[in-house]
Amino acid sequence: NAGVTQTPKFQVLKTGQSMTLQCAQDMNHEYMSWYRQDPGMGLRLIHYSVGAGITDQGEVPNGYNVSRSTTEDFPLRLLSAAPSQTSVYFCASRILQRTPYNEQFFGPGTRLTVL
Amino acid sequence: AQRVTQPEKLLSVFKGAPVELKCNYSYSGSPELFWYVQYSRQRLQLLLRHISRESIKGFTADLNKGETSFHLKKPFAQEEDSAMYYCALLDNAGNMLTFGGGTRLMVKP
Repeated sequence: NAGVTQTPKFQVLKTGQSMTLQCAQDMNHEYMSWYRQDPGMGLRLIHYSVGAGITDQGEVPNGYNVSRSTTEDFPLRLLSAAPSQTSVYFCASRILQRTPYNEQFFGPGTRLTVL
Repeated sequence: AQRVTQPEKLLSVFKGAPVELKCNYSYSGSPELFWYVQYSRQRLQLLLRHISRESIKGFTADLNKGETSFHLKKPFAQEEDSAMYYCALLDNAGNMLTFGGGTRLMVKP
């Protein structure tokens, strides 16, 4: 199993450009999520999904859109990139049920720079 | 709203010294707490869960509901423990995994 995969690994954008960060998982996990990682701020939840066709906002959703058309894929869209969106983005997945044994599996990350 | 605080951004110790990475949380419900670790050039991975009361790589963490803390401890640090450590809290609905700001542990030879 590949686990959680993300593309691209690196991306440089100009202010105002749009792009989509791709995320896929092959573990048949219902729950998928996107985080951004910034120094001193840890990981902050952007959006999450509890299954195909269902998405919801996390802690910092502004400027980002998501959709979930299949169980495997959960792309993150930046419609008009801003320098404040310069960050490392992580996709994650896990089983849906809340148990104390939950383990969230993370992708390798996408490093995005917005000039 | 749930909140996780890791007061130390950087913790530097010598090999063989004891280590304690602090984590405090605020949450009105019944928390599920975790420690995640990110080694250099590797992806974030689960280190341990509070429910398991296990020791992983020599690390343990005890949930103290009275002090709302979940500190990570290891009696004798090793150089390979150098990494970024994140404390995380899962809400009652199981939808939001909230992370602290992280502590970078540096173990010097």
